[in-house]
Amino acid sequence: GENVEQHPSTLSVQEGDSAVIKCTYSDSASNYFPWYKQELGKGPQLIIDIRSNVGEKKDQRIAVTLNKTAKHFSLHITETQPEDSAVYFCAAWNSGYALNFGKGTSLLVTP
Amino acid sequence: NAGVTQTPKFQVLKTGQSMTLQCAQDMNHEYMSWYRQDPGMGLRLIHYSVGAGITDQGEVPNGYNVSRSTTEDFPLRLLSAAPSQTSVYFCASSSSDKGHGYTFGSGTRLTVV
Repeated sequence: GENVEQHPSTLSVQEGDSAVIKCTYSDSASNYFPWYKQELGKGPQLIIDIRSNVGEKKDQRIAVTLNKTAKHFSLHITETQPEDSAVYFCAAWNSGYALNFGKGTSLLVTP
Repeated sequence: NAGVTQTPKFQVLKTGQSMTLQCAQDMNHEYMSWYRQDPGMGLRLIHYSVGAGITDQGEVPNGYNVSRSTTEDFPLRLLSAAPSQTSVYFCASSSSDKGHGYTFGSGTRLTVV
C-alpha cells in the first residue's frame, strides 16, 4: 500500500520567515496530494491540495510543489505568522480510495 | 450545513466493554473513512467506505467493525475495548471526485481503562 514519509517532525521558525515541509510517497498511481492543518483539539482542515497533472499551486502565503518523477511534494509557507503554529499533515490518495497520511509536522512560529 | 458530525466527543470505557462511535455527514458524500490519531503516529486508516453497502479495511482494522447502511452514516464499533484502543478517532468524508479532500469531524477522544 501507499507509504507517506513526512519531514521534519518539528519545525521552529521566527515570525516572518518561511517554512518548508517535505513529503515523499511510494505509490506511483497516487494522483491527489492534499495538505491539512490541525489546531489543538480540532480535526484536520484542508488548506491546499494539488493534482498530479500540476507542478505547483499557490494560495496567498501557502504553496505546494509536486515532483512526480521523484515522488515528492512540499508545502511552503511564506511570511509566517504566530497563527500558523499548528500540526501539518501531508497525504496521498491511494488506489484503494482513501487518504494515507504522513506522521505530521509540528510548526511553531515564534514572535 | 453541519458537515461531518461525530458523537460522543469524549468517552471512557472499561476494558472489555463495547461501544459505537457515531459519524454522520450531510454533504451527500460517497466516500467515508475512520482514522485514529496517536502521538507521533499521525492519522492511521481503520476502515473506509466508497458507498452505501460497501466497506473495506484500512491499515489498522483489528478490533473494529463498520457498516454503511445509508450514505449519511458510518458508525465505528469497538467490539471489546482494550487499552491499546485509547486514541482520538476522526471520521471523514469526501465526494467521489478525488479532486476533493476529505472533510473531517471534530473527533472523539476515547480512553480505555
